[in-house]
Amino acid sequence: QVQLQESGPGLVKPSQTLSLTCTVSGGSISGGSYYWTWVRQPAGQGLESIGRIHAGGNTNYNPSLKSRVALSVDTSKNQFFLKLSSVTAADTAVYFCARDINGQVLGSPDLYYNIDVWGKGTTVTVSS
Amino acid sequence: QSVLTQPPSVSAAPGQRVTISCSGHGSNIGNNYVSWYQHLPGTAPTLLIYENDKRPSGIPDRFSGSKSGTSATLAITGLQTGDEADYYCGTWDYRLSLGVFGSGTKVTVL
Repeated sequence: QVQLQESGPGLVKPSQTLSLTCTVSGGSISGGSYYWTWVRQPAGQGLESIGRIHAGGNTNYNPSLKSRVALSVDTSKNQFFLKLSSVTAADTAVYFCARDINGQVLGSPDLYYNIDVWGKGTTVTVSS
Repeated sequence: QSVLTQPPSVSAAPGQRVTISCSGHGSNIGNNYVSWYQHLPGTAPTLLIYENDKRPSGIPDRFSGSKSGTSATLAITGLQTGDEADYYCGTWDYRLSLGVFGSGTKVTVL
């Protein structure tokens, strides 16, 4: 089955750029309706969507982070990437990569949104 | 601050039933399906419920979901020590064009 693994520095200095990689195994990142997404969880807080990208290039970003976030995908390596610039202590969190899908159920106007595969998460601390 | 609101914690004795509420708005829960996730810290979260009340294969029927208006509920019956975890609701938000999540609820088995 599809598995995801986050990798990247665990410590980033304030004002620098946080860069994470998510490696997809057990399946292809290309094709289908799946999006590849990043979610973070600051200590003691809930989950926050950062953004998502389709292998075809379509993206959605959290408006509160949009000016600082860049998502990309490398289909040849079966990887997708997160870059978050100008980080502060508020960006300290566990970062998860995941696979999500959303769409309409036949006969209903409502949308579904499911994350069916998650990575285990990686802790990133912003500190000098 | 999370878009969806959940109680910080719930607890019950083994074998009992607990419910976790998830409150949102018309731009999210009110007009979209709700999913629920179980998360044991240090591990990957797991999809427990999708489309309000459906269970992926392998999820026991002790877990059930429902939705009414702009709120959703996860129920766990026959509580087991292995159910101790954090639980999150999630859904699509039209206004943000993104998935949103709850603040998380810690389930403790007494």
